[in-house]
Amino acid sequence: GAGVSQSPSNKVTEKGKDVELRCDPISGHTALYWYRQSLGQGLEFLIYFQGNSAPDKSGLPSDRFSAERTGGSVSTLTIQRTQQEDSAVYLCASEPSRLANYGYTFGSGTRLTVV
Amino acid sequence: AQKVTQAQTEISVVEKEDVTLDCVYETRDTTYYLFWYKQPPSGELVFLIRRNSFDEQNEISGRYSWNFQKSTSSFNFTITASQVVDSAVYFCALNAGGTSYGKLTFGQGTILTVHP
Repeated sequence: GAGVSQSPSNKVTEKGKDVELRCDPISGHTALYWYRQSLGQGLEFLIYFQGNSAPDKSGLPSDRFSAERTGGSVSTLTIQRTQQEDSAVYLCASEPSRLANYGYTFGSGTRLTVV
Repeated sequence: AQKVTQAQTEISVVEKEDVTLDCVYETRDTTYYLFWYKQPPSGELVFLIRRNSFDEQNEISGRYSWNFQKSTSSFNFTITASQVVDSAVYFCALNAGGTSYGKLTFGQGTILTVHP
């Protein structure tokens, strides 16, 4: 597609439920990143994919968070047993390759609210 | 560890004023990259500029200019003759730590409001 697409744009869930957030990167972009933007914490790195592999998962805050990428394209971020502190905007970004580092293209994000 | 500090939480100016957004970074690496992103009210982060640590030339793009000074570890952003459409949150970011990929450390952001 023309840009990075994320769905849903908004998600309200009850505490304790699982949620899945989806990211469709720009076609052909091999590098994909997830970030979280929350009040008081700013923008935090979560995970990096190169193709279908995730060589850097260091930003995932707990084992309730996981992510996968299939076909070198779509990525899904899953949060299990959601907590109120998980409320944030989850942003996905992609770039052409791991060595590009020329500045990502970000999606519009998924605003997650845990009630 | 990498760190980016944007000391100005909020700035308010009147249209046509010049405004400078400060960014100070910390890294022990000699090779690193610095970025500025704009986040308008729509929420999508927009890439503005990337500089590498070996290029200290200042850059100008229309009303935007960037001043990179390694001696003070600063990468400041100036908007000349500001406009209402410049109202947004601006983030400075750093890529360092020897990674060969684009993992970024962001500052807390500066909220810029330009009044008509």
